Amino acid sequence: KAGVTQTPRYLIKTRGQQVTLSCSPISGHRSVSWYQQTPGQGLQFLFEYFSETQRNKGNFPGRFSGRQFSNSRSEMNVSTLELGDSALYLCASSFPTAHGYTFGSGTRLTVV
Amino acid sequence: DAKTTQPPSMDCAEGRAANLPCNHSTISGNEYVYWYRQIHSQGPQYIIHGLKNNETNEMASLIITEDRKSSTLILPHATLRDTAVYYCIVGSAGKSTFGDGTTLTVKP
Repeated sequence: KAGVTQTPRYLIKTRGQQVTLSCSPISGHRSVSWYQQTPGQGLQFLFEYFSETQRNKGNFPGRFSGRQFSNSRSEMNVSTLELGDSALYLCASSFPTAHGYTFGSGTRLTVV
Repeated sequence: DAKTTQPPSMDCAEGRAANLPCNHSTISGNEYVYWYRQIHSQGPQYIIHGLKNNETNEMASLIITEDRKSSTLILPHATLRDTAVYYCIVGSAGKSTFGDGTTLTVKP
């Protein structure tokens, strides 16, 4: 079966711009979470969505936002990009009552 | 969610068992312990989880102490492909920040 699909795989943006990343979960998965991974900060939780509602949010500024659609696909948006936003952004999905999350391969964002 | 503490790195000989420890002394009674691993440049991969009892699956075994303050992930016969960063998480991977994990290097 298809895994978690993240698009695009790589992205280069200029400081001050905004960016939208997409995540298609495994069919039937309704929980979607987003993570930011950088060499210095490790893998940090951004937010979690279930049935189009944000259930949990990590400690990130308001420039980071997300949403989930009725088909469980999710997007995250980062506005007014900063150099420090350069990172690997990972999406993970799960069945509502399951324990294990399946991660995508991520989107590598570079801000110049 | 409870915090976890793992050694930054470990080595293991190929074919031998790899035992990766994790301390989670502030774990709550209803919080699960999860283990994931991340191979370079890929997304983390779920390995196993447990609440109180020891658990085993096709990938690994999880041993949780009786007081639940620590656990050990066991890869019974480590291969070179098991070289990765291993993360121990308490609570839920869907809303938890992963720590720095343990970099396991399996050597021939």
